[in-house]
Amino acid sequence: QQKVQQSPESLTVSEGAMASLNCTFSDGTSDNFRWYRQHSGKGLEVLVSIFSDGEKEEGRFTAHLNRASLHVSLHIREPQPSDSAVYLCAIMPNYNVLYFGSGTKLTVEP
Amino acid sequence: EAAVTQSPRNKVAVTGGKVTLSCNQTNNHNNMYWYRQDTGHGLRLIHYSYGAGSTEKGDIPDGYKASRPSQENFSLILELATPSQTSVYFCASGDVGGSNQDTQYFGPGTRLLVL
Repeated sequence: QQKVQQSPESLTVSEGAMASLNCTFSDGTSDNFRWYRQHSGKGLEVLVSIFSDGEKEEGRFTAHLNRASLHVSLHIREPQPSDSAVYLCAIMPNYNVLYFGSGTKLTVEP
Repeated sequence: EAAVTQSPRNKVAVTGGKVTLSCNQTNNHNNMYWYRQDTGHGLRLIHYSYGAGSTEKGDIPDGYKASRPSQENFSLILELATPSQTSVYFCASGDVGGSNQDTQYFGPGTRLLVL
């Protein structure tokens, strides 16, 4: 079973400053990684899916995958207070079964 | 975008009682999933289904049953609820596209409190 760990547990940034979130996983054979966002009391919203080493950009959100280092990151450009949420990393090592990290709580201060 | 709804949104149950959580999706996805979310654990998979009539055990199935009577509906059943099952439960649905790149779409969650 995949182990997925996220860091930091919480992060506070100022509006407009880059926010960087990290995720490490235990098995480098997977080729399917997701970043989700969860606003308080809401469901999960997929932000970026990445399937090969390198970068994948979706608007202000950029994921960077390095399977050799067992690491995937999410960078949020020009974060807004509305981006304050919990960000979840997920890995799909098996067909359609996701393993999640415990999340990073991001607070963006005006 | 896929629409996944859950009911009830909030539920208080007594220990030993039966609880049924319902999920409905309107995008004709084959796969549906039930997760629970607890502080410090992220989301953990309880049961999933590949289509009507099928249910599969996830990582933490003990104490839970699942039912998929139709393409649209997937239920999670707690026959004898316990306080340890107090959690937020999420349903998700996803396409089956023959690749590993399918996306899961999540419902808004159900908060369950077992007293």
